Amino acid sequence: QSVLTQPPSASGTPGQRVTISCSGSSSNIGSNFGYWYQQLPGTAPKLLIYRNDQRPSGVPDRFSGSKSGTSASLAISGLRSEDEADYYCAAWDDSLSTWVFGGGTKLTVL
Amino acid sequence: QITLKESGPTLVKPTQTLTLTCTFSGFSLSISGVAVGWIRQPPGKALEWLAFIFWDDDKRYSPSLKSRLSITKDTSKNQVVLTLTHMDPEDTATYYCAHTAWFTWQTTRHYYFDYWGQGTLVTVSS
Repeated sequence: QSVLTQPPSASGTPGQRVTISCSGSSSNIGSNFGYWYQQLPGTAPKLLIYRNDQRPSGVPDRFSGSKSGTSASLAISGLRSEDEADYYCAAWDDSLSTWVFGGGTKLTVL
Repeated sequence: QITLKESGPTLVKPTQTLTLTCTFSGFSLSISGVAVGWIRQPPGKALEWLAFIFWDDDKRYSPSLKSRLSITKDTSKNQVVLTLTHMDPEDTATYYCAHTAWFTWQTTRHYYFDYWGQGTLVTVSS
């Protein structure tokens, strides 16, 4: 059972906009920053979003992040087949004194 | 260009100690603010943070594994070593090391993983 809760799956058709949610608590997302990672099949995680809504250089602006209260969200617009991957949210948890990750959301592009 | 690569045994027996090495390039662990972390991922499961080591040799461990974990650095070799004692089949996972970036917000430094190694799969079995 992950400390951060994500839907196990999400799907969309090419060109659509998809949103993935990440529910936390006051000790993690509520008082710290949210991060998002993309993991393509058989590869290492790649940083997509840091500090709630910042994109590292090289990450397309189709990917955007937001935070509201104790939840974070990742939105992917203009969905492409190459976006098919697992997506993980993460945050530091002040109470547990540990990094916590969501259980991951498998995105399928139909 | 920052790169990291994990190395170590692919198979360990229960009760043995795992030693993994992270060899990196493109940054120095002797520079203020720099850190390297370890994260693992059991097959088909989510990510789990294990440890950090900072440029000043400060170390942080996952509370659930703290008694079994040790992290050290060799700045001259650009390496970070993670050891995990008393290995169990539940420790079977891909182990990743990652460069840790940071930013300051309201006087607090916030660290996060930006560049990851390719990972190394460690299986625990007799």
